[in-house]
Amino acid sequence: QVQLVQSGAEVKKPGSSVKVSCKASGGTFNSYTITWVRQAPGQGLEWMGGIVPIFGMPNYAQKFQGRVTITADESTSTAYMELTSLTSEDTAVYYCARGAVGQNPLPNLYFDYWGQGTLVTVSS
Amino acid sequence: SYVLTQSPSVSVAPGQTARIPCGGDNIGSKSVHWYQQKPGQAPVLVVYDDGDRPSGIPERISGSNSGNTATLTISGVEAGDEADYYCQVWDTSDHPVFGGGTNLTVL
Repeated sequence: QVQLVQSGAEVKKPGSSVKVSCKASGGTFNSYTITWVRQAPGQGLEWMGGIVPIFGMPNYAQKFQGRVTITADESTSTAYMELTSLTSEDTAVYYCARGAVGQNPLPNLYFDYWGQGTLVTVSS
Repeated sequence: SYVLTQSPSVSVAPGQTARIPCGGDNIGSKSVHWYQQKPGQAPVLVVYDDGDRPSGIPERISGSNSGNTATLTISGVEAGDEADYYCQVWDTSDHPVFGGGTNLTVL
């Protein structure tokens, strides 16, 4: 069965960067979209971006353009999300999720497997 | 960008039926997916493509979609159904959009 296992919690200073990993097992890593979604305390789900490892071309939410980098290492079935220039507003739980293709009309993706989440706390 | 609107909260007595709406402009023309999130846990997919259920999701959870409203319906509500529920579609600008979430309280 598919599992996504994320790296552990991080505490960062304002202005620094964080890199979160997401290791997949039990499925075909390369051909699925891996998406990153974050959730600030008491808030909803916010899409940050995604990547299809076999293509290697990430797609970012406009809000995070220039601050986020999503990569994937096919050899280890691991995706990464790096966020720079952190502020307290970036304090959140960061999730990776696998995108599955739904019915027509395409494009249409939903997220069938999720990582356990990684808490990133930004504090001076 | 496409906007999905959800009521912040819905309350229902045990054994009753909970209906959780998700509004969007002509949402009936899109496929809607639903996630359940319990406190401190990752979201779980409960309905995809309007009304299909992943394996392991009980039949008392169903979805429908027409016009400007998609609805997640939970029949015979149990205490264990207390959670936040999020709807999601794929926007034409090639990214997913989530609703703001609805908190289901079982009275």
